[in-house]
Amino acid sequence: DAKTTQPNSMESNEEEPVHLPCNHSTISGTDYIHWYRQLPSQGPEYVIHGLTSNVNNRMASLAIAEDRKSSTLILHRATLRDAAVYYCILIGGGADGLTFGKGTHLIIQP
Amino acid sequence: EAGVAQSPRYKIIEKRQSVAFWCNPISGHATLYWYQQILGQGPKLLIQFQNNGVVDDSQLPKDRFSAERLKGVDSTLKIQPAKLEDSAVYLCASSLFRGGGQETQYFGPGTRLLVL
Repeated sequence: DAKTTQPNSMESNEEEPVHLPCNHSTISGTDYIHWYRQLPSQGPEYVIHGLTSNVNNRMASLAIAEDRKSSTLILHRATLRDAAVYYCILIGGGADGLTFGKGTHLIIQP
Repeated sequence: EAGVAQSPRYKIIEKRQSVAFWCNPISGHATLYWYQQILGQGPKLLIQFQNNGVVDDSQLPKDRFSAERLKGVDSTLKIQPAKLEDSAVYLCASSLFRGGGQETQYFGPGTRLLVL
């Protein structure tokens, strides 16, 4: 499976935008970029996914580089409830199980 | 819509004992996954079912772990005998279909296992 690289932790202030980066230089043409997050003492939850074009939903935006070797998850206005570990995961054809790395621990300061 | 249900939420056992976890996926979801999450790490896939058939169990320690999904709905994961290193959160997830790269997985709250 293609690997992803994320910073171990990031810190931001409440009500400010947050940009969470992910590098995936060995991504294949059929790999989708997925983001999940895991709040304390909960199971992971889906945030957003995309293939080539930028994507928006009610939770976040996903910006994908033109060469697809990196992507950025954007939380437009962080709240304290967004404090979680964020995982960037590549999913292609074949295996469907998610391969989680260590993710980015996002800390939100009030 | 009800989410993925898991029980028990917590379990403490002594090493060499056996333990079983139960998962009820979202209604209509054909694919079911069990993950193991050790403290400080991301979840690791143990086994994947499509309806009641096993799709991938390559990372399941088959000498002590077993899982079944009878009638393609509920699933149980068993550990027998447990070791200290099995202390972890066991997460169940389900998805509507499989494959294609676009499927969303829905996770349950997990079962936290402590082996003493």
